[in-house]
Amino acid sequence: SQTIHQWPATLVQPVGSPLSLECTVEGTSNPNLYWYRQAAGRGLQLLFYSVGIGQISSEVPQNLSASRPQDRQFILSSKKLLLSDSGFYLCAWTRDRVDYGYTFGSGTRLTVV
Amino acid sequence: DQQVKQNSPSLSVQEGRISILNCDYTNSMFDYFLWYKKYPAEGPTFLISISSIKDKNEDGRFTVFLNKSAKHLSLHIVPSQPGDSAVYFCAARLSNTGKLIFGQGTTLQVKP
Repeated sequence: SQTIHQWPATLVQPVGSPLSLECTVEGTSNPNLYWYRQAAGRGLQLLFYSVGIGQISSEVPQNLSASRPQDRQFILSSKKLLLSDSGFYLCAWTRDRVDYGYTFGSGTRLTVV
Repeated sequence: DQQVKQNSPSLSVQEGRISILNCDYTNSMFDYFLWYKKYPAEGPTFLISISSIKDKNEDGRFTVFLNKSAKHLSLHIVPSQPGDSAVYFCAARLSNTGKLIFGQGTTLQVKP
């Protein structure tokens, strides 16, 4: 079966510290992968998407970066976190059925203090 | 610009009654419209979708209606149950890229 794993579930980091969030997908190959952020009281904002290894598209200018070192691995990073980076980060992948849209991971709650 | 809008941040209904969640869009390049349900501290889960060539899709208690001329869609939940209390996101799929554009979400509270 196809599953998506995202970790950690929660993270508290000081301002200026680095960040690394990891997402892996199992049971499929060459998925389209996405990083979304849900800021407090706001909708889901697409940050990055990837259609293959090493292929990253950025949707909004920001303090974050993404990488895809392996087919089913997607990493969200930052060299120096800002307070405004706090939010709920979600990884997602596109299923075979277009009418199902994306399947999301369980999310990471990041609080920058 | 916000291509997909959910203008009601919250909605409260009584158990057993109908819940109607609304969504408006501006882009004509969407080929699918989807509804997701999200509980706190969890990822959104797919609920129901509709193709842009249809005007209604039904799945159990959930029905989605699409009015293309008005660029409006709605999700009807009948009868509403307390377990339906969650944030509901409307999303639209861009036909050329497959990307989903999400609305801001509507928090539904179903009171027992």
